[in-house]
Amino acid sequence: DARVTQTPRHKVTEMGQEVTMRCQPILGHNTVFWYRQTMMQGLELLAYFRNRAPLDDSGMPKDRFSAEMPDATLATLKIQPSEPRDSAVYFCASGLQSGNSPLHFGNGTRLTVT
Amino acid sequence: AQSVTQLDSQVPVFEEAPVELRCNYSSSVSVYLFWYVQYPNQGLQLLLKYLSGSTLVKGINGFEAEFNKSQTSFHLRKPSVHISDTAEYFCAVVTSGTYKYIFGTGTRLKVLA
Repeated sequence: DARVTQTPRHKVTEMGQEVTMRCQPILGHNTVFWYRQTMMQGLELLAYFRNRAPLDDSGMPKDRFSAEMPDATLATLKIQPSEPRDSAVYFCASGLQSGNSPLHFGNGTRLTVT
Repeated sequence: AQSVTQLDSQVPVFEEAPVELRCNYSSSVSVYLFWYVQYPNQGLQLLLKYLSGSTLVKGINGFEAEFNKSQTSFHLRKPSVHISDTAEYFCAVVTSGTYKYIFGTGTRLKVLA
């Protein structure tokens, strides 16, 4: 059963440190999304890619966040420097290039910044 | 721009009772609509989707939803809930012609014994 894989599952770090989260989309999927989930804001869209090209990253704080797809099997989300307000669960999702195609989610990375 | 509103943040309901989780959307063009479920410490899973055609769509685990274009709603229903349905439910909208998924803030369904 194909699924989206995210690593690490949990990350605890100190304020100011760099954090890198990784996502392996389902093979053959050409669209990748990054979402952040918090109790207060719910699911926020940070960025999404189609065929490895960024289509929209307007939801991402540009000064500290960056998202890339070095190849079709890997998407990364980096935070540098991290801040306590970045504590959240970060989800990666992948899908096919079609508005009626559902997204497949990974199990998330729970980030705690102290 | 499209948006999704889930009016209820929490819904408690007794086991075997019916439930309705509300979702309203805003978009100036045609949309695709989805409901996802999230169990603790997991990602979201697709429950059902509306693309076109019949306005009543059936999904997994006995859930169904009805698309109402005039009221811009896509409410989720189940006639009889089980303890195992306790989870968070998210409504999502995708504007036709794009692939930008926008999610609502979620509704936490708690089924009581």
